[in-house]
Amino acid sequence: KNQVEQSPQSLIILEGKNCTLQCNYTVSPFSNLRWYKQDTGRGPVSLTIMTFSENTKSNGRYTATLDADTKQSSLHITASQLSDSASYICVVRGGGTASKLTFGTGTRLQVTL
Amino acid sequence: GAVVSQHPSRVICKSGTSVKIECRSLDFQATTMFWYRQFPKQSLMLMATSNEGSKATYEQGVEKDKFLINHASLTLSTLTVTSAHPEDSSFYICSASYAPYGTYSNQPQHFGDGTRLSIL
Repeated sequence: KNQVEQSPQSLIILEGKNCTLQCNYTVSPFSNLRWYKQDTGRGPVSLTIMTFSENTKSNGRYTATLDADTKQSSLHITASQLSDSASYICVVRGGGTASKLTFGTGTRLQVTL
Repeated sequence: GAVVSQHPSRVICKSGTSVKIECRSLDFQATTMFWYRQFPKQSLMLMATSNEGSKATYEQGVEKDKFLINHASLTLSTLTVTSAHPEDSSFYICSASYAPYGTYSNQPQHFGDGTRLSIL
């Protein structure tokens, strides 16, 4: 069964600090992996997308990594800001004819003063 | 670019009412639109996938007659929750993707801001 597990479930950090969110998946075959940011009551917004051959991708203060061998990804947030408070969702697209998305349950990040 | 507009953002109505939610891609042609449901503190659950001009494909356990989906144009899809009941209360989110060559696509899904549906 295709699954995407994220850790931690929730995280509280001080403004200005860095943090790393983890994503492990069992989706096979694999097509790509996306990280989304979802503010409360809003739709998800894409941060990064990585295919099998990509190991690292950055988008401003967000850096995603992918290890397709171990089926792990991480999202590193540098110099966190209050506006980073949101849920971060890891989404994996499978390959093949039924290439559906499998969503993780997300990590709820709260950045405080 | 790649803006998806969802309307209304919030609906409160009585049990038994039918509710229509619109999802529009404003600056691109959406060959495929997706409808999701999200419960508090849970991730998105795919309800159905609709391709322009075709019947929607529903996920297992989703009632076709309950959740009517129409994707009549490349910029508009609608979800109608028929005879809504309190258990239908949820956050409904649409997304749109431009994937003209079928499902082999690395194009991201662009999400709307969701509709909070509350059935009294």
